[in-house]
Amino acid sequence: KNQVEQSPQSLIILEGKNCTLQCNYTVSPFSNLRWYKQDTGRGPVSLTIMTFSENTKSNGRYTATLDADTKQSSLHITASQLSDSASYICVVTPRGTASKLTFGTGTRLQVTL
Amino acid sequence: DAGITQSPRYKITETGRQVTLMCHQTWSHSYMFWYRQDLGHGLRLIYYSAAADITDKGEVPDGYVVSRSKTENFPLTLESATRSQTSVYFCASSQGVEGYEQYFGPGTRLTVT
Repeated sequence: KNQVEQSPQSLIILEGKNCTLQCNYTVSPFSNLRWYKQDTGRGPVSLTIMTFSENTKSNGRYTATLDADTKQSSLHITASQLSDSASYICVVTPRGTASKLTFGTGTRLQVTL
Repeated sequence: DAGITQSPRYKITETGRQVTLMCHQTWSHSYMFWYRQDLGHGLRLIYYSAAADITDKGEVPDGYVVSRSKTENFPLTLESATRSQTSVYFCASSQGVEGYEQYFGPGTRLTVT
């Protein structure tokens, strides 16, 4: 069964610090990998989308990396802000069933003063 | 306003009742999706639609019915609500599937008592 596992489950960091969130997946072959940000009480919002041939993709202070050989991705947040407090969800699209995304359970990030 | 909306945002119903959750998008996106989000699980696909009058099952379709008579609307009906259907439901839309962004609505929190 295709799976996406994220770590850590939750994380607390001080404002201004950097952090890295991890995503391991077993989906194969896959079409693309996405990272979403979900604020409490709201729907997920896309941060990045990478195809299997891309190694890195940035969106402002967010940088996603992908190692298709080891089936690992990471999301690095630079100079965190209070507004970064949210859940971050890793999503993998299997090739050939592109309508059926596989979602991780997310990492809950809290940025504090 | 443009975008994707869901109604109601909150709903409490009793076991055995029929409930319909509404989803409306203004982008004329071809694809629309219904997901449920439960603690400890990633978002799981219930049903999706590639166009008006074309729908298909996702990962967890049992107990749900969908229809899509118009491109912009994609209602989800729980025919006879059960406590296990207590969840947060998200609707999403996209122009396509391979590499296309999915845009999520704000969610409907449903409680079945």
